[in-house]
Amino acid sequence: KAGVTQTPRYLIKTRGQQVTLSCSPISGHRSVSWYQQTPGQGLQFLFEYFSETQRNKGNFPGRFSGRQFSNSRSEMNVSTLELGDSALYLCASSPGGARGLYEQYFGPGTRLTVT
Amino acid sequence: AQTVTQSQPEMSVQEAETVTLSCTYDTSESDYYLFWYKQPPSRQMILVIRQEAYKQQNATENRFSVNFQKAAKSFSLKISDSQLGDAAMYFCAYKITQGGSEKLVFGKGTKLTVNP
Repeated sequence: KAGVTQTPRYLIKTRGQQVTLSCSPISGHRSVSWYQQTPGQGLQFLFEYFSETQRNKGNFPGRFSGRQFSNSRSEMNVSTLELGDSALYLCASSPGGARGLYEQYFGPGTRLTVT
Repeated sequence: AQTVTQSQPEMSVQEAETVTLSCTYDTSESDYYLFWYKQPPSRQMILVIRQEAYKQQNATENRFSVNFQKAAKSFSLKISDSQLGDAAMYFCAYKITQGGSEKLVFGKGTKLTVNP
């Protein structure tokens, strides 16, 4: 079974621009979560989508948004980029059923650099 | 608020020896899940081991085992017969449920170096 894939793997953007990151979960998984990883703050939860609905959102400004498609693929968007948005963005998928995050698997991440 | 604390920013171990990584957490829930994740330099986060709080028996996965002390809210990871491939960042995580959704709360991580 193929793992979680994220595209692109690396991205360089300029302050003020917007960016869209993509995540394809493991086949059959319906839940996709996004995390931001920085050296200073560590891993922080952004949001979780299940069956095209956002079920949970972390403490991030409205510039961070996401969506999930009917095939469970998910995208996250960051508008008006700031230098502090430079981070590794990790996507994780899980079945989304009763076992929830008990079976969560991470993708390789997208390294976003904002200059 | 649920928090996860890893008090050792860095640890080192000699190849073939045993090392224990510490993790403590704070929660008011009685049933929950705990995880250890490994993030090698290639950066893909890999699940190492997981523990359900209602299970008294400590989880074991090959060379990896945990010492789960529920009363003390402690969840340490023991790596036996350490190998060079074990070198990585190790994150302890706690699963919380909010409004029907779940998320992981991570510790800051411990960087493990394995010396040949």
